[in-house]
Amino acid sequence: GENVEQHPSTLSVQEGDSAVIKCTYSDSASNYFPWYKQELGKGPQLIIDIRSNVGEKKDQRIAVTLNKTAKHFSLHITETQPEDSAVYFCAASKGDKIIFGKGTRLHILP
Amino acid sequence: DAGVIQSPRHEVTEMGQEVTLRCKPISGHNSLFWYRQTMMRGLELLIYFNNNVPIDDSGMPEDRFSAKMPNASFSTLKIQPSEPRDSAVYFCASTLGQNTGELFFGEGSRLTVL
Repeated sequence: GENVEQHPSTLSVQEGDSAVIKCTYSDSASNYFPWYKQELGKGPQLIIDIRSNVGEKKDQRIAVTLNKTAKHFSLHITETQPEDSAVYFCAASKGDKIIFGKGTRLHILP
Repeated sequence: DAGVIQSPRHEVTEMGQEVTLRCKPISGHNSLFWYRQTMMRGLELLIYFNNNVPIDDSGMPEDRFSAKMPNASFSTLKIQPSEPRDSAVYFCASTLGQNTGELFFGEGSRLTVL
């Protein structure tokens, strides 16, 4: 089955700097790659997603890139703000079954 | 819409007791998922349903775990008997249908087994 690896597990960046989170997946048939943000005491919430026919997608300060050949994808957050502090999960799917990475706890330092 | 509703939000129980977690998906959503979240293992998919039918339960840890979806607006996850290693946050999520992307999560049920 699909296996998703996510790095780093913890990331601290200065407010205003960029943050990058990287994931790899194992199943070359996976074709959908969402990213979720989880705030304290809440369930994860979708922030951006990308499908395998696209190499990059951007939404304001967040962007995702996908390299199908290498089977890895990344989340980029620019101009980080305090409200970006949260746990971020990448995921991979080839149908209904969405498999998550273990998460990255992002700290934005003042 | 109220979103996915889970109950209870918190449960503390003793080892050996039966635990039942409940979920009401978003109205009109045809797929429902149960995930378990722990620090060590992250978000693990336990089981999911399409149109009330269990499709894949390969993530259910063992026979002590069972899940049902008797109708489109209700699902349960039962642990009997519970063990301390079952302590985790259990999330229910729903989505519109097959291959439609976004999962909508509930706020989770935090289970502590003493």
